[in-house]
Amino acid sequence: RKEVEQDPGPFNVPEGATVAFNCTYSNSASQSFFWYRQDCRKEPKLLMSVYSSGNEDGRFTAQLNRASQYISLLIRDSKLSDSATYLCVVETGGGSQGNLIFGKGTKLSVKP
Amino acid sequence: DTGVSQDPRHKITKRGQNVTFRCDPISEHNRLYWYRQTLGQGPEFLTYFQNEAQLEKSRLLSDRFSAERPKGSFSTLEIQRTEQGDSAMYLCASSLSYHEQYFGPGTRLTVT
Repeated sequence: RKEVEQDPGPFNVPEGATVAFNCTYSNSASQSFFWYRQDCRKEPKLLMSVYSSGNEDGRFTAQLNRASQYISLLIRDSKLSDSATYLCVVETGGGSQGNLIFGKGTKLSVKP
Repeated sequence: DTGVSQDPRHKITKRGQNVTFRCDPISEHNRLYWYRQTLGQGPEFLTYFQNEAQLEKSRLLSDRFSAERPKGSFSTLEIQRTEQGDSAMYLCASSLSYHEQYFGPGTRLTVT
């Protein structure tokens, strides 16, 4: 089983749609979780951290289920500018290291 | 812009040659990370430094790879005797805390 697995995508959605990305991780000792966004031929950028209680940032909502080792990202009212690859990221177990394990990413394409 | 810079942005080299990349982190960040990313994959952790100490190296980092951060500021990543399989985007990231990493634009290496 891969350490971080994501929906394969691509997701092609119309503007205004709601889209959800799912991710599972294998290391139950993992402490920190993130969603990064990566535009084509650009570096990854932190979109949001994911907390056990769930967190929301505007149109974006992230959820974490530790029991199921499952992370999700919901994007409401999709914009053309949301088109990118979304990377699910898990900090390796132990907390003291800080290196991140990335999923392969899910590509989102928002169409007019 | 995140403030992490990398040089060069692109490098084309012949198999067997040595290459060196440089990363300048955000100035107050004490942690510096190197990742490698190939097409269709998420970034893969290679190594990281806290100040000048190299604290962890991935199994992906073969003997041909060496990284330094001599004064705890900029870092270099050297690949000796390059192989075609080394072709990838090499990403540098820095952080002040354990988790929130900011990525540079990357160095794209092509080995012919």
